[in-house]
Amino acid sequence: NAGVTQTPKFQVLKTGQSMTLQCAQDMNHEYMSWYRQDPGMGLRLIHYSVGAGITDQGEVPNGYNVSRSTTEDFPLRLLSAAPSQTSVYFCASRPPRGASNSPLHFGNGTRLTVT
Amino acid sequence: EDQVTQSPEALRLQEGESSSLNCSYTVSGLRGLFWYRQDPGKGPEFLFTLYSAGEEKEKERLKATLTKKESFLHITAPKPEDSATYLCAVQANNAGKSTFGDGTTLTVKP
Repeated sequence: NAGVTQTPKFQVLKTGQSMTLQCAQDMNHEYMSWYRQDPGMGLRLIHYSVGAGITDQGEVPNGYNVSRSTTEDFPLRLLSAAPSQTSVYFCASRPPRGASNSPLHFGNGTRLTVT
Repeated sequence: EDQVTQSPEALRLQEGESSSLNCSYTVSGLRGLFWYRQDPGKGPEFLFTLYSAGEEKEKERLKATLTKKESFLHITAPKPEDSATYLCAVQANNAGKSTFGDGTTLTVKP
């Protein structure tokens, strides 16, 4: 049971480049989300999805796009990278809607640097 | 808007020196308060869920408690392997979003 898998682990981009951070889970979780974590700060929600075909914005969505075509995958796209997007990105999932007070399961993060 | 404030920001203890971490929250309709542990270079790992005021949960040297306004994570006789960042999060009556505090970084010296 792999849990939540994020790729790549590390990435360096130049300003203006685009890329996709991958997230996959094998636990049949309906809820998936993306957070960013900056030094000395907690996790801030970027986008989330309560099921395939449904996405919504979190606290800091600007500059990021998501889609949810399958239950297993929830990719995060950076459209035009900026230095302010240098951060550690975490994907997290949770069991179906009926257990909305269940804890989140996290991947080990993608460390992104934008120069 | 849901808010979570953790204190202190950093805590340094000697091995065996007990202490507590605080998590103050404001939320409309609490469905659950969560404690996570995060080691350097890793994602957060779940420790406890608390649902209602007065509830307590224990795991090894850790005990979490909950009131209507705050939660405490008590660490009894800590060991160096307890060194980590501890994150608190609340789950409200909404679409399932969790709001996190900034965390407390605990260092336990042998």
